[in-house]
Amino acid sequence: EAGVVQSPRYKIIEKKQPVAFWCNPISGHNTLYWYRQNLGQGPELLIRYENEEAVDDSQLPKDRFSAERLKGVDSTLKIQPAELGDSAVYLCASSLGWQGASEAFFGQGTRLTVV
Amino acid sequence: GDSVTQMEGPVTLSEEAFLTINCTYTATGYPSLFWYVQYPGEGLQLLLKATKADDKGSNKGFEATYRKETTSFHLEKGSVQVSDSAVYFCALSPFGGYNKLIFGAGTRLAVHP
Repeated sequence: EAGVVQSPRYKIIEKKQPVAFWCNPISGHNTLYWYRQNLGQGPELLIRYENEEAVDDSQLPKDRFSAERLKGVDSTLKIQPAELGDSAVYLCASSLGWQGASEAFFGQGTRLTVV
Repeated sequence: GDSVTQMEGPVTLSEEAFLTINCTYTATGYPSLFWYVQYPGEGLQLLLKATKADDKGSNKGFEATYRKETTSFHLEKGSVQVSDSAVYFCALSPFGGYNKLIFGAGTRLAVHP
């Protein structure tokens, strides 16, 4: 069974440009998470979806970040415009909702470099 | 707020050496505690967990005991292998917040033959 798939794996953009990341969770997983991992730090939650509803987006910088999860499956995280401080690894994870965040499966992440 | 502190790396060991990676936490109530591992080029994986005080989580030769009195969850392995080289993250899930994880900064382990 395929795991959580993210694309692209790497992205280099100039500041002020837009960028989007895509995540395909494990089939049947209704809970989807986006995390940001800064260099030398642990992941921090940006947003959590239950099906297509964003139930925890308190850590998402809403002035420039947006996310969507159409039809409760794939999800896209967008940054517009990107800033130098957005350079990080963006991780997607998914789980069966009743199991909790600790049972989530993580993708390999997208490494974003803003120059 | 809740937080996790773990020892800085990198930790460099020879094969078959004993491993300890320290982790302490700050939280209200009784959080659940976890260790995650990230092998090169792979996603984060849950390594072990403990959900209440004095519980011992174990997997793949790794162990960690939930110590409420010292608010610690140190990771140990008696004999490391080259294949254990990875980044290890300690994390907690707040009491009543099973859908939330708070991670430490991670500790890189390098094991040499």
